[in-house]
Amino acid sequence: AQSVTQLGSHVSVSEGALVLLRCNYSSSVPPYLFWYVQYPNQGLQLLLKYTTGATLVKGINGFEAEFKKSETSFHLTKPSAHMSDAAEYFCAVSVQMDSNYQLIWGAGTKLIIKP
Amino acid sequence: DVKVTQSSRYLVKRTGEKVFLECVQDMDHENMFWYRQDPGLGLRLIYFSYDVKMKEKGDIPEGYSVSREKKERFSLILESASTNQTSMYLCASRARGSYEQYFGPGTRLTVT
Repeated sequence: AQSVTQLGSHVSVSEGALVLLRCNYSSSVPPYLFWYVQYPNQGLQLLLKYTTGATLVKGINGFEAEFKKSETSFHLTKPSAHMSDAAEYFCAVSVQMDSNYQLIWGAGTKLIIKP
Repeated sequence: DVKVTQSSRYLVKRTGEKVFLECVQDMDHENMFWYRQDPGLGLRLIYFSYDVKMKEKGDIPEGYSVSREKKERFSLILESASTNQTSMYLCASRARGSYEQYFGPGTRLTVT
């Protein structure tokens, strides 16, 4: 069965420091991978996605992620954290079920920014 | 811009009540989804629909039903609400052939 593992339910970084949120997946076929962000009391918003092509993907708000097939990873990074980045981040992998595509979700990582 | 709206942001219901959560999308998407979100568990799929009047069970359908009479509207029904259904409920939609899901703002349901 497909699964997504996010390492760390909470990650705390100082403002201006590097953000690294980890995501590993299990998939028997080439995956489509996503990072979503959820700000407090809001729905989820797509941050970035990998489908095919370049393995380094850039998203909104200065975030990027790199697909590493050999490590089955899709870690999310941002060079310099900002207070407004405080949110919960979800990694997801798209899998085909019958004729439909569903998303398998990680448990989420809450990013805390220290002033 | 894709817009997915949910009928209520916050809802408080009593045990045993019938509860309706409504979701409307304005982008003519074929696929619609209902998730519940609980701390530490991520998003769990309750039901999804890939066309009008079509529905499929997700991972946790017990205690829930759905209705999709029109393409833009997908309703989640709790036939008899219980306290263990206190949660955040998220609706999403997706175009056929696309992988990206678009989410509504969520409904935080409390069952007392």
